[in-house]
Amino acid sequence: DIQMTQSPSTLSASVGDRVTISCRASQSISAWLAWYQQKPGKAPKLLINKASSLQTGVPSRFSGSGSGTEFTLTISSLQPDDFATYYCQHYYSYPGSFGQGTKLEIK
Amino acid sequence: EVQLLESGGGLVQPGGSLRLSCAASGFTFSSYAMNWVRQAPGKGLEWVSAFSGNSGRTYYADSVRGRFTISRDNSKNMLYLQMNSLRTDDTAVYYCATDQLGVFDYWGQGTLVTVSS
Repeated sequence: DIQMTQSPSTLSASVGDRVTISCRASQSISAWLAWYQQKPGKAPKLLINKASSLQTGVPSRFSGSGSGTEFTLTISSLQPDDFATYYCQHYYSYPGSFGQGTKLEIK
Repeated sequence: EVQLLESGGGLVQPGGSLRLSCAASGFTFSSYAMNWVRQAPGKGLEWVSAFSGNSGRTYYADSVRGRFTISRDNSKNMLYLQMNSLRTDDTAVYYCATDQLGVFDYWGQGTLVTVSS
C-alpha cells in the first residue's frame, strides 16, 4: 500500500502569514492527490483534488502543487477561519490512504 | 444539495455488533461509489470500506476485513456498514462519504461508535 507522510505535524502561524504544508508519497502517484480541511467536531471538507484543482467555493488563497511523490498545500495569507487540521490523501489506487494530518495553530 | 446523514452509532461491548446507516439525498445515489471513513478520538482519518457505484465491487481495509460488511440499497438511497466482532480499537467517529473517482467530495456529519466494556 502507498504511505502518505505529512510535515510538519503541527504548525504555528499568525493571521496574514504564508504557510506551506508538505505531503510525500511512498511511491509515485502522478497528480492523484487531494487535500482536506477539518475543523474540530466537523467532517472533513475537500479543498483540492488532482493536486492543484481548487474545489468550487474554496478561497483562492489556497493552492496546491506537486506531482509524483512531493506535494504542497499553500495558504497565501492566513485568515482566522483557516486554523484547522489539514490532510492529504492519494487516490492513485485502492485504498486511497490519508496522511497523518497537519494541525495549523494560532501563534 | 447533497446530504449524507449517518445513524446507528452507540456504545457496544467488545465482541458485539452494530449496523451503521447513511441516508443520502440530493444526488443520483446509484451512480456514485460510496465509502466509510473513520476517525478514532484525537487521531487522523482512516479509510474503512468502499462500495462501487456500478460494478458492485466492495473493498475493505485490512483492519476490518472479515469483520465488517458494506452494503447499499439504491432503491432507498441508503448505505450500510455491518460491524461484527467489534474491538476497542474500532472506537471512532464513522463518516460516510461520496466517492468521485477516489476523491471524497461530500461527507456526512459522522456517527460515534464506542466499543467498551
